[in-house]
Amino acid sequence: DGGITQSPKYLFRKEGQNVTLSCEQNLNHDAMYWYRQDPGQGLRLIYYSQIVNDFQKGDIAEGYSVSREKKESFPLTVTSAQKNPTAFYLCASSATGFPYNEQFFGPGTRLTVL
Amino acid sequence: AQSVTQLDSQVPVFEEAPVELRCNYSSSVSVYLFWYVQYPNQGLQLLLKYLSGSTLVKGINGFEAEFNKSQTSFHLRKPSVHISDTAEYFCAVREDSSYKLIFGSGTRLLVRP
Repeated sequence: DGGITQSPKYLFRKEGQNVTLSCEQNLNHDAMYWYRQDPGQGLRLIYYSQIVNDFQKGDIAEGYSVSREKKESFPLTVTSAQKNPTAFYLCASSATGFPYNEQFFGPGTRLTVL
Repeated sequence: AQSVTQLDSQVPVFEEAPVELRCNYSSSVSVYLFWYVQYPNQGLQLLLKYLSGSTLVKGINGFEAEFNKSQTSFHLRKPSVHISDTAEYFCAVREDSSYKLIFGSGTRLLVRP
């Protein structure tokens, strides 16, 4: 089945540690996205990538980093510089042909800082 | 600037009653509109989308939405809800020539027996 996988489902981190969230898709989509979800705030875009080896900052990129070395993979690193990292993180992907690039979402990773 | 407003943070409704979840957006250019549903601790699933053509759009699980350009609205409706419709619903907008989706803050639909 085609889809998006995120791992791990739950992640606990001590303050001062960097952690990496995995996102893999087998939909052959060129574009991939990372969102952060907090209660009552909807989804906010962290980073997005329209093509391999290229990515752009979203609205809340500070304290996060990404890489896009393969079409299928778009890992997100939450660095120690992120002041309040506890949140639900969602990865998405889409085709890039306008206008039919609806985004498909993974199941999410819940990150908790201890 | 582009923005999406979902005025109702929570909508309680009895089973088999009709429901409308409101969504308004602001944009000065052509837009594409989406409704997503999220069940607890899961990702988002697309309910329906408006790209062009008929302003009444039908989606999965019996939901439909109507695009009203003059009122910049895209309200979601269902004539008869089930307990299983209890979830969070997000309206999202994408401007023409942009890859970015702008999400509303979500509406929690709570269906009571």
